[in-house]
Amino acid sequence: QSALSQPASVSGSPGQSITISCTGTSSDVGGYDHVSWYQQHPGKAPKLIIFEVINRPSGISNRFSGSKSGNTASLTISGLQADDEADYYCSSFTVSSTLVIFGGGTKLTVL
Amino acid sequence: QVQLVQSGAEVKKPGASVKVSCKGSGYTFTGYQMHWVRQAPGQGLEWMGMINPGGGRINYAQRFQGRFFVTSDTSTSTLYMELSSLSSEDTAVYYCARAHCSGAGCYQFQYWGQGTLVTVSS
Repeated sequence: QSALSQPASVSGSPGQSITISCTGTSSDVGGYDHVSWYQQHPGKAPKLIIFEVINRPSGISNRFSGSKSGNTASLTISGLQADDEADYYCSSFTVSSTLVIFGGGTKLTVL
Repeated sequence: QVQLVQSGAEVKKPGASVKVSCKGSGYTFTGYQMHWVRQAPGQGLEWMGMINPGGGRINYAQRFQGRFFVTSDTSTSTLYMELSSLSSEDTAVYYCARAHCSGAGCYQFQYWGQGTLVTVSS
């Protein structure tokens, strides 16, 4: 089971917006709306920021938004802040006994 | 508040087995699927498997089948994972995570344990 494909790194300046892509196949991202995004700061556990493509858990800023088109999901962070600097992972349900697959992760640098 | 507290770091020799625990509190333990995710040093996240403590459903990632087992003790609200035939490639932080369930499914993880570092070294 191959991991979902994410860019290794993205960067942006404070106040700007960035988008991170997550590409899979019709067996995962493209076939189901079970795409999630996680933020992970160094040495910390991941934090759920988007689930089911577009939904934010309670307490997550509306600066984080998700979308999907075909086999590619995207996470957009608007109004970049210094604390947004972290690793971001997408995940998706997949049709196999391996129920969930993750992307390789994207390091966001806030310049 | 929901808390998942994992057991401490482990150092194991190649070929050995390791068992990690994850104690849940602040919620009904049998009401949520529990998952295990690992992260090798400097690497990404990898899903390993899940259990439904309330109903016994268990699923394992294909690559771990046969040497990875998940159990739960509802009397103590504790989840366990055991990984056998360890190699250096199993050196990683192992996380337990509680699924967030919507009407569509339970494939997102809202609460995470603090992680348990398992080091495999001769």
